[in-house]
Amino acid sequence: DTGVSQNPRHKITKRGQNVTFRCDPISEHNRLYWYRQTLGQGPEFLTYFQNEAQLEKSRLLSDRFSAERPKGSFSTLEIQRTEQGDSAMYLCASSTKTGLGGNTIYFGEGSWLTVV
Amino acid sequence: RKEVEQDPGPFNVPEGATVAFNCTYSNSASQSFFWYRQDCRKEPKLLMSVYSSGNEDGRFTAQLNRASQYISLLIRDSKLSDSATYLCVVKSEYGNKLVFGAGTILRVKS
Repeated sequence: DTGVSQNPRHKITKRGQNVTFRCDPISEHNRLYWYRQTLGQGPEFLTYFQNEAQLEKSRLLSDRFSAERPKGSFSTLEIQRTEQGDSAMYLCASSTKTGLGGNTIYFGEGSWLTVV
Repeated sequence: RKEVEQDPGPFNVPEGATVAFNCTYSNSASQSFFWYRQDCRKEPKLLMSVYSSGNEDGRFTAQLNRASQYISLLIRDSKLSDSATYLCVVKSEYGNKLVFGAGTILRVKS
């Protein structure tokens, strides 16, 4: 499968624990995005990387959240001291700029987080 | 006010019906527009891009009105398999992120 890969797909954790999600983008895609989606809402942007540089962060990304893409390939999203409000699906996406100036963004299947 | 607004529905239609979804966006700098489809508990998938001249892909037609900041999606001859949430999405010229609406739920019934 050459699509965007995310793991774990499901995570149940106790409030206060730390969790980490991993995303492997489509190879040669230099842009990587993290989104969060709760029930009944569309995906909300969290952060964006171009290669290894984190170029944009949403105000939604509190200081408990940190994302890295150390070698410009895979990325991790860590949530420290989880809260029940963090329960959501965390989506990773990747893209590459096309010659026409646009880009198609492809999503992974998401990582479901339940904080109990 | 949300940057992208959609009627959440649900739209319940019989097979074969024509159904239209509308979406408005607030950022006049938005330059790219899309419709994504999302099945229950799955990831969003690109359905089609939306161009100013309007574009069609089989049973699906998308329209953009920049003056009114309005996007539409028309589905003709609805199939049971069209049942999903349809997400209206915009991207600004200078931003790198997609901004999603909350989605419109479509249920096609036999």
